[in-house]
Amino acid sequence: SQTIHQWPATLVQPVGSPLSLECTVEGTSNPNLYWYRQAAGRGLQLLFYSVGIGQISSEVPQNLSASRPQDRQFILSSKKLLLSDSGFYLCSFFDRGPGELFFGEGSRLTVL
Amino acid sequence: QQPVQSPQAVILREGEDAVINCSSSKALYSVHWYRQKHGEAPVFLMILLKGGEQKGHDKISASFNEKKQQSSLYLTASQLSYSGTYFCGTESLNTGNQFYFGTGTSLTVIP
Repeated sequence: SQTIHQWPATLVQPVGSPLSLECTVEGTSNPNLYWYRQAAGRGLQLLFYSVGIGQISSEVPQNLSASRPQDRQFILSSKKLLLSDSGFYLCSFFDRGPGELFFGEGSRLTVL
Repeated sequence: QQPVQSPQAVILREGEDAVINCSSSKALYSVHWYRQKHGEAPVFLMILLKGGEQKGHDKISASFNEKKQQSSLYLTASQLSYSGTYFCGTESLNTGNQFYFGTGTSLTVIP
C-alpha cells in the first residue's frame, strides 16, 4: 500500500533563515507530487506540483522553491523565510486508481 | 483557479442535514471532497468524475453538475463525528492533475 511521509512535523524558524521540508512516498512509482500551504483558518493553496524527476511547476513564485531529486522524493525550500511563510505545509501525491489525493501528516511552520 | 465554497461555516444539531456547495469558473474534469479535523491532514471522502454523477459514503453523498461547474456535498442525519472543515478540490479540463481547493466550510455538530 502507498504511504507518504513528511518531516519535520513542527518547526519554529526566525525570519531570514533557510527552510527545508522533505516528503517521501512509498508503494507507488512516478507519482504526481504536490506541495500545499494552509494559513491559519484558511484553505489549501497549491504551491508546486511535479509530474516527474526534475519537473516542477510553480503556482506561487514567491521565495519558496521545490525540487524532486528522486522519483518519490519532494523537497520544499526557502533561502530566506518571511513572516508570511508561516502555515501548515502539506505534501501529497495523486493515486490515479481511486482518483484520490493522499496527504502527508503535515509540517507546521512558525516564522518569528 | 480556486473554487468557491458556501457557506463558510455552519452549526448543526445532531440529526440535522446540511448542504455544502462548490462552484468553479473553469470547466471541470473532476471534483473531490475532503474533510479535515483540526491540526490534521485532509481525509478523502469521494471523487466525482462525470457530469450528473452522484456518490454516497454512509450518510454523506455528493453530486456534480458538469454544465454548471458545480458540486454539492450532502450530509444527512449529521453525527458529532462529522464536525470538521470540508474542502472541495477541483481538477479542470485544461489543467489536468492540478488540484485547486476551495476556502473550506467549517461544520460543527452539537449534541
